[in-house]
Amino acid sequence: KAGVTQTPRYLIKTRGQQVTLSCSPISGHRSVSWYQQTPGQGLQFLFEYFSETQRNKGNFPGRFSGRQFSNSRSEMNVSTLELGDSALYLCASSLNRVSGNTIYFGEGSWLTVV
Amino acid sequence: TQLLEQSPQFLSIQEGENLTVYCNSSSVFSSLQWYRQEPGEGPVLLVTVVTGGEVKKLKRLTFQFGDARKDSSLHITAAQTGDTGLYLCAGAVGGTSYGKLTFGQGTILTVHP
Repeated sequence: KAGVTQTPRYLIKTRGQQVTLSCSPISGHRSVSWYQQTPGQGLQFLFEYFSETQRNKGNFPGRFSGRQFSNSRSEMNVSTLELGDSALYLCASSLNRVSGNTIYFGEGSWLTVV
Repeated sequence: TQLLEQSPQFLSIQEGENLTVYCNSSSVFSSLQWYRQEPGEGPVLLVTVVTGGEVKKLKRLTFQFGDARKDSSLHITAAQTGDTGLYLCAGAVGGTSYGKLTFGQGTILTVHP
């Protein structure tokens, strides 16, 4: 069973540009969430999508956005990139169980903003 | 806002020693997950604990969820160099927040031969 797949794995962008990251969840998983990981702040929740609707949102500025498609694949977009946006962006998927919902992570997309 | 305090932040031990990592919160979680992460990779799930007081064993790793579901611990017996990595605890509140995890700051474990 294929795991969570994220593309691209590595990318370098210039300040002010925008970036789109893609995530394919585990087959059958309808919940997709995104996290940002930095050395200083650790892993922080960005947002979660379920059935193409954003269900939860973390404490990030509006420059961070996302969407989910009917096949559960998801994308996140960061506009007007800042140096501080350099991070590992992780996508995770789950079955959306009421109890003991297990969340699986992809390998992440490394974003460097110069 | 739920917070998870993970300790210690760094742990450097010799092969064969035992160790315990703690994860504490003032909030109740519906479940708690432990992950291990290698540099440059995503977190890999080790275990999910759901019931208060639950104990799960994974070879030399023992995970415990507190009775009140506010704390958890990870105990490693006879550590090996292959156990080196970043260990993360993460709690889920439940309700409509199924995919939202609150993470501890992580414990960087180094096991020396």
